[in-house]
Amino acid sequence: DAKTTQPPSMDCAEGRAANLPCNHSTISGNEYVYWYRQIHSQGPQYIIHGLKNNETNEMASLIITEDRKSSTLILPHATLRDTAVYYCIVRVRSNDYKLSFGAGTTVTVRA
Amino acid sequence: EPEVTQTPSHQVTQMGQEVILRCVPISNHLYFYWYRQILGQKVEFLVSFYNNEISEKSEIFDDQFSVERPDGSNFTLKIRSTKLEDSAMYFCASSENPARGNQPQHFGDGTRLSIL
Repeated sequence: DAKTTQPPSMDCAEGRAANLPCNHSTISGNEYVYWYRQIHSQGPQYIIHGLKNNETNEMASLIITEDRKSSTLILPHATLRDTAVYYCIVRVRSNDYKLSFGAGTTVTVRA
Repeated sequence: EPEVTQTPSHQVTQMGQEVILRCVPISNHLYFYWYRQILGQKVEFLVSFYNNEISEKSEIFDDQFSVERPDGSNFTLKIRSTKLEDSAMYFCASSENPARGNQPQHFGDGTRLSIL
């Protein structure tokens, strides 16, 4: 099972940054944090992942706390097309390849 | 950008019939996966496949399910005798080498399977 905790829902305004929190207090040293999103029944879309350093790509930034017990996904300028369910996933074991999806955070971007 | 493609997008089948869902993973990927999502529920892992054999499967993946890579490009999920509760979205995914820890899985847009 997923070892992450996310708020069930959040709203954000179009054009503003969206900060999505995730708690993973039992994460171990060799486990990565992955973020995916699912836009209305489409397949999960990979966003970003990280181990302990902050990461940034064209879609988002990932901020991981120094103790690695929580992280924040930042969508810098949310658009209406960013409305989706966002999943924070920790790879359970280094040789366990499956992704365990929780309920995620339903993010609604409002104009 | 390379992507995982799945066919058909929607499959309607009578209960008890066999169904084959098809996937074309990203071409240089070595690991393949099937997940399913029952309407309104979480995405659930079914099976992972590497080097022409199953590397892991969930409790859902019972004897009525099988996977195959019949050629160098396709990856299929077969449900031998479908049940009403098999109705779901089925997602295929692929990745390079997740054991390296930094190879994400990339998903197709799924096949909606409806069992009548």
